[in-house]
Amino acid sequence: EDQVTQSPEALRLQEGESSSLNCSYTVSGLRGLFWYRQDPGKGPEFLFTLYSAGEEKEKERLKATLTKKESFLHITAPKPEDSATYLCAVQAGPSNTGKLIFGQGTTLQVKP
Amino acid sequence: DTEVTQTPKHLVMGMTNKKSLKCEQHMGHRAMYWYKQKAKKPPELMFVYSYEKLSINESVPSRFSPECPNSSLLNLHLHALQPEDSALYLCASSQDTPRAQYFGPGTRLTVL
Repeated sequence: EDQVTQSPEALRLQEGESSSLNCSYTVSGLRGLFWYRQDPGKGPEFLFTLYSAGEEKEKERLKATLTKKESFLHITAPKPEDSATYLCAVQAGPSNTGKLIFGQGTTLQVKP
Repeated sequence: DTEVTQTPKHLVMGMTNKKSLKCEQHMGHRAMYWYKQKAKKPPELMFVYSYEKLSINESVPSRFSPECPNSSLLNLHLHALQPEDSALYLCASSQDTPRAQYFGPGTRLTVL
């Protein structure tokens, strides 16, 4: 069964304290891995798509990387406005159905 | 422009009411989705429309009825809902089914 697991569930950082969020996946035939940011009561905001092992994407203080078993979202020198829930999702399987399998998310709190 | 709009933002309805949620995108995307999200949980896929045809129904109860009038619009018709159907309902769209999905802000639904 396809599965996506995110760790940790919650992370508290001081402003400027860099860290990484993990997304491990067990799927048959990865078609794409997606990172989203979600603020309370709002829809998920698309951050990155990764398609193959070794691929990296960057946006401001965020950098996403992908291996054959997991993805990391590195946050460099975070600011309080980076506080949110970060969701990882994968598309997998023999056909392009569009179905995303989400992890449970990591809730990040950055304190000033 | 990567905007998906949803109306209304909030909806309170009784169990005997009939209401509709609306979603619109003008990005030329050909795939559109409905998700349901409960508090502190990831979004759960309900329906996928690809090129205006229903391609996935994730065993959703018949009290939820999707409709795709054209490539830019997606509706979700609600009838005889239960209190446990209270949730954030998210619409998303993508260029095609294997591409990144862009989410709208959601409709907060409360069933009394």
